[in-house]
Amino acid sequence: DGGITQSPKYLFRKEGQNVTLSCEQNLNHDAMYWYRQDPGQGLRLIYYSQIVNDFQKGDIAEGYSVSREKKESFPLTVTSAQKNPTAFYLCASSRAREGAISSPLHFGNGTRLTVT
Amino acid sequence: AQKITQTQPGMFVQEKEAVTLDCTYDTSDPSYGLFWYKQPSSGEMIFLIYQGSYDQQNATEGRYSLNFQKARKSANLVISASQLGDSAMYFCAMREGMDYGQNFVFGPGTRLSVLP
Repeated sequence: DGGITQSPKYLFRKEGQNVTLSCEQNLNHDAMYWYRQDPGQGLRLIYYSQIVNDFQKGDIAEGYSVSREKKESFPLTVTSAQKNPTAFYLCASSRAREGAISSPLHFGNGTRLTVT
Repeated sequence: AQKITQTQPGMFVQEKEAVTLDCTYDTSDPSYGLFWYKQPSSGEMIFLIYQGSYDQQNATEGRYSLNFQKARKSANLVISASQLGDSAMYFCAMREGMDYGQNFVFGPGTRLSVLP
């Protein structure tokens, strides 16, 4: 079955360490996204990518970095510069380009990152 | 300015009754899509229903229907015959067509609690 895989489900890190969250999709979607969700809050966009080797900052990109070397993969690195990294991170993908307006986001199951 | 507004932080409904979750949006793009997602306590985001800006009929998917009032810029979700499993966070989202709708904007969400 097609879908999005995020790993790991739970991640614990010490303050000052960089950590990379994995996101893989086999839906053949062009666009991929990373969102952050804090308890009781909505989703905030960190980065998105419409095509391989290209990505754009979202609303809260500071302290994060991404790469898009393959269509299927869009890993997110939470750097030590991110002041408050403890959160729930959701990866998503969708069709892009013309006619994609009706394409919903397909989400992974998320990674809960705790930094102490 | 908020592009998606959900004015009900929390809602209660009796099992088997219908409930309406409000969503208003703001866009100047004539082409856009509106989406509703459900997020249970497990954290996964489940796509429920889609409404396109040019659609003449209100969208329906099983027990979910969308009350789309374009002039008022509202896209309320109606859940009929509520079940205990409907207890979750519900998010309204919009995808605008200007740049092939690469960015989704989410509202702050409404927490629905279904009472037995």
